[in-house]
Amino acid sequence: ILNVEQSPQSLHVQEGDSTNFTCSFPSSNFYALHWYRWETAKSPEALFVMTLNGDEKKKGRISATLNTKEGYSYLYIKGSQPEDSATYLCAFTYSGGSNYKLTFGKGTLLTVNP
Amino acid sequence: DTEVTQTPKHLVMGMTNKKSLKCEQHMGHRAMYWYKQKAKKPPELMFVYSYEKLSINESVPSRFSPECPNSSLLNLHLHALQPEDSALYLCASSLASGAPGGPQHFGDGTRLSIL
Repeated sequence: ILNVEQSPQSLHVQEGDSTNFTCSFPSSNFYALHWYRWETAKSPEALFVMTLNGDEKKKGRISATLNTKEGYSYLYIKGSQPEDSATYLCAFTYSGGSNYKLTFGKGTLLTVNP
Repeated sequence: DTEVTQTPKHLVMGMTNKKSLKCEQHMGHRAMYWYKQKAKKPPELMFVYSYEKLSINESVPSRFSPECPNSSLLNLHLHALQPEDSALYLCASSLASGAPGGPQHFGDGTRLSIL
């Protein structure tokens, strides 16, 4: 069983704050790590797919880093806005199986208060 | 707006009914997926189709029957479901082979309730 752990489970921040959360995954047989943003009543939206140790990706105010040797990824949001409120899911694929199969963490629910 | 379209958005059915969920994408993706998501839990993979062939079945009960009639369409046929099958059913698609697990594009889901 592959466990993908995300922390914290939920987070409340004020508008303008910067924040970050963590995704932990098995470090052996790593293939790819995905981040998705899921707003209520909408579909999950892909943010990043990362494959290489030390990868850093950025999309606007959101960025992510990857450490495959120790099995974690951080997602950072700079200057949070109310529209950033969503559940942020990470998902992992491993090289021992199909590269189509994502195993998701339970997500971090971010609420940004105006 | 999502590029993966799912219908219907909501479905209420009895345990003896037969219904189908539909999913459509026109991005040229050759991998399509069904996920089941219960409240406060992550999406769980049910099926993967790659080039219109079933490549992954995550030991899903036979009361769920997937079908991929062509590269743009994915159906999930439902029959004799149980109340515990009530959930959000998400469809997704992605580029097939070669990509290292390229991003999946999700639909808005079908909220299914079994009476």
